[in-house]
Amino acid sequence: EAGVAQSPRYRIIEKRQSVAFWCNPISGHATLYWYQQILGQGPKLLIQFQNNGVVDDSQLPKDRFSAERLKGVDSTLKIQPAKLEDSAVYLCASSLEHSRGYEQFFGPGTRLTVL
Amino acid sequence: QQQVKQSPQSLIVQKGGISIINCAYENTAFDYFPWYQQFPGKGPALLIAIRPDVSEKKEGRFTISFNKSAKQFSLHIMDSQPGDSATYFCAASIGGGADGLTFGKGTHLIIQP
Repeated sequence: EAGVAQSPRYRIIEKRQSVAFWCNPISGHATLYWYQQILGQGPKLLIQFQNNGVVDDSQLPKDRFSAERLKGVDSTLKIQPAKLEDSAVYLCASSLEHSRGYEQFFGPGTRLTVL
Repeated sequence: QQQVKQSPQSLIVQKGGISIINCAYENTAFDYFPWYQQFPGKGPALLIAIRPDVSEKKEGRFTISFNKSAKQFSLHIMDSQPGDSATYFCAASIGGGADGLTFGKGTHLIIQP
C-alpha cells in the first residue's frame, strides 16, 4: 500500500513570498490533516478535513494560511505572505477507521525555510 | 497552553537497557494516546497506542503504561537497540483518534552500543 505522498520535499523562499504544498493521502482515507512541526517541537495540527469539508481549523492562521481539499482526495496548503516564523516542516497525514479505531499515517513532510 | 507534557527532552541508554519516556496530559476528554517514532527526514510513524479503558498495552519490546487518575502515561522500550535511536513523541486525541493529535515536545533517544 502506497503511503502519504507530499511535494515538494524542500522549499526555500524569501519572506513575504507565497508558497504552496501538495498532499496525496492514502487511497480511501477520508480524513486528512495538515500539521506544522517547528524544529525541536512536536507537530501542531493546522487543519483537519473529512472528505472535502473542514472539521477543525481553529489553529490555522487564517490571515496568511489557506487549505483546500478538492474532490475529497488531494489537498493543498498555501502560505501568503510567508513570515520567518513559518520556517518548519509541514506534515500531511491521513486516517481511516478500522476495527481498533483510527490510525494516522504521516507523509515525509515538506521542509520550508523562509529567509 | 501545552496540553501534553513530555519528559525527558533527551535520553541516553545503553544497548539492552530499558528506555522510559513519560507524558502527562491535562484535558480529561482525551480518549486515545499514541506514541510515534520519528527518524530524521521522515514523518512520524505510529509505534503503539492505548485507550483509557486499559492500564497497560504491550507490543513486542514496546509497552505503554497508563494511569488515568494521575493523567499520565509512559512508553517503555525493553532491550533497547541502536536502531531504536530516534525522536519519540507522545500524543493525545479526542474521538478515539479521529480528531487531530496534540503532541508532546518529543524525546531524543540515543541507544549506545
